[in-house]
Amino acid sequence: GAVVSQHPSRVICKSGTSVKIECRSLDFQATTMFWYRQFPKQSLMLMATSNEGSKATYEQGVEKDKFLINHASLTLSTLTVTSAHPEDSSFYICSANRASGGVAGELFFGEGSRLTVL
Amino acid sequence: GQNIDQPTEMTATEGAIVQINCTYQTSGFNGLFWYQQHAGEAPTFLSYNVLDGLEEKGRFSSFLSRSKGYSYLLLKELQMKDSASYLCAVRDQAGTALIFGKGTTLSVSS
Repeated sequence: GAVVSQHPSRVICKSGTSVKIECRSLDFQATTMFWYRQFPKQSLMLMATSNEGSKATYEQGVEKDKFLINHASLTLSTLTVTSAHPEDSSFYICSANRASGGVAGELFFGEGSRLTVL
Repeated sequence: GQNIDQPTEMTATEGAIVQINCTYQTSGFNGLFWYQQHAGEAPTFLSYNVLDGLEEKGRFSSFLSRSKGYSYLLLKELQMKDSASYLCAVRDQAGTALIFGKGTTLSVSS
């Protein structure tokens, strides 16, 4: 079946540094990918929609200059948390729709990336 | 606005049946999804409803009533491994992201 791969699964960084998270669709092309954020015991909150070849669309309240999204190819989207601070510590999950096959409109999730900012 | 409501917590015993309800108010409707999520892991797909009625898939079933903005996930023959968070999510337009409820934490005891 379709697989979305996310890397790294865990990252610990110092405050003020930048961290890049990659999201790849392994056996299908994804013109659109979605980035979610999840705090402990909370649900998934949509951060932004990543569009191949164009600028990402950010949800209200999400700083586009802090969370840089690049969707350089049909199989890769990256999220860069710039100048990370402890409050950015969270579980970041990417997802993608496969255009055909399987359940109509099923959203496939990456494994998630646990970011801890010290 | 968009709103999805589901109970915060539920408890049940092994072998029992549990029903997790979800109500939604969204600007549009293009499908309702249920996901299971274990702590520290990504959600895994359980079911999808776009038409009214019941979808059965092994021990899990999901029901949808679009006129009532209501869905439920039914879990039968509960097992300890079913202890997890269950997320109800709605897509309001084709091709857009899912909007998630806050999740229901289910605890199954022996």
